[in-house]
Amino acid sequence: AQSVSQHNHHVILSEAASLELGCNYSYGGTVNLFWYVQYPGQHLQLLLKYFSGDPLVKGIKGFEAEFIKSKFSFNLRKPSVQWSDTAEYFCAVPKKRGSTLGRLYFGRGTQLTVWP
Amino acid sequence: DAGITQSPRHKVTETGTPVTLRCHQTENHRYMYWYRQDPGHGLRLIHYSYGVKDTDKGEVSDGYSVSRSKTEDFLLTLESATSSQTSVYFCATRGQETQYFGPGTRLLVL
Repeated sequence: AQSVSQHNHHVILSEAASLELGCNYSYGGTVNLFWYVQYPGQHLQLLLKYFSGDPLVKGIKGFEAEFIKSKFSFNLRKPSVQWSDTAEYFCAVPKKRGSTLGRLYFGRGTQLTVWP
Repeated sequence: DAGITQSPRHKVTETGTPVTLRCHQTENHRYMYWYRQDPGHGLRLIHYSYGVKDTDKGEVSDGYSVSRSKTEDFLLTLESATSSQTSVYFCATRGQETQYFGPGTRLLVL
């Protein structure tokens, strides 16, 4: 079964700083990979996803992520964060490779705080 | 996002009482999921459904049951609520291999 590690539990940045949040998963090969964002008091929203093709994926609000197969990683990046990016970010992968049930395994989340 | 609503949005109940949370979707998605979210644990799957009357357990299913009699509705029941079930509960559906989440239900068990 799959597992997901988000090594940064809490990241604090000033506005305009660059962001990179780490996500590592446990099995290799091609997988579906997701980043979700949860703004304070809200539900999870899809930020971006990777299924196949170009390993550099662009999402909403200027976020992007790069799938690096050799490192089992799918790190989230943004060149210049804003105060409104303050939120919790979750990486997710399918529970079982090739499963059709759509179950996802979520990382424990990274809380991003951006100071104006 | 998919048209997902959850009810109630907030609930306070007492230990030992049964509680039912409802998830309603308008997208005709086959797969539906119930998660709980707790600080430091991220999201954990309670139960999921892969069709009407087809359900299965997730990682933290003890103390919970579900039912799905219609495509659009997925009910989560806490058979006898305990304080450890105080949490935020999210419903999700799956469309185009992507999960979409409802607004959540904040449950407090006293």
